[in-house]
Amino acid sequence: NAGVMQNPRHLVRRRGQEARLRCSPMKGHSHVYWYRQLPEEGLKFMVYLQKENIIDESGMPKERFSAEFPKEGPSILRIQQVVRGDSAAYFCASSPGRRNTEAFFGQGTRLTVV
Amino acid sequence: GQQVMEIPQYQHVQEGEDFTTYCNSSTTLSNIQWYKQRPGGHPVFLIQLVKSGEVKKQKRLTFQFGEAKKNSSLHITATQTTDVGTYFCAGPKGSNYQLIWGAGTKLIIKP
Repeated sequence: NAGVMQNPRHLVRRRGQEARLRCSPMKGHSHVYWYRQLPEEGLKFMVYLQKENIIDESGMPKERFSAEFPKEGPSILRIQQVVRGDSAAYFCASSPGRRNTEAFFGQGTRLTVV
Repeated sequence: GQQVMEIPQYQHVQEGEDFTTYCNSSTTLSNIQWYKQRPGGHPVFLIQLVKSGEVKKQKRLTFQFGEAKKNSSLHITATQTTDVGTYFCAGPKGSNYQLIWGAGTKLIIKP
């Protein structure tokens, strides 16, 4: 049973370009979380999705950022017109969504905006 | 809103010394989870506590859930260099079971 897969592991974008981060949850998991982490800081919640639904996007900037988790395929976090301040590690975690169940994390995508 | 917080933010210990971090929640939790993130790595699930007053052990690690289910602790006996990292606690919020995270306690082993 493969773990949570994120790709790419490292992504370099010039200012103004778009960044697309992908997350394939563990098999059987229908809930996905996206987090952002700056160096030496904690996890900052961005968005919580279930299949085809955004449950909570209160941690995600309203402009330039969007997320989806389609019926088929991976969850996508999209950042349009990236700026230097978007440089961070972006982690995805999945869970089955049942009560009392832990979240499994991917290895993250390190985004660098130059 | 609902918050979870680890105390302290940083802890420096000599190798071989004990280490304890505390997790406090602003609300009662149905369960609490602990995760460890090594430098440069991703968070990894350690344990989940569900019952009031529950105590669980994993080798040198002891986890406790408070009687009121609003706080928890992680104690490491005789720290080793492999224990270095940031320890996070997380608890579910609302009926959607969304996890709320603290900022973590960073364990640093002094040379």
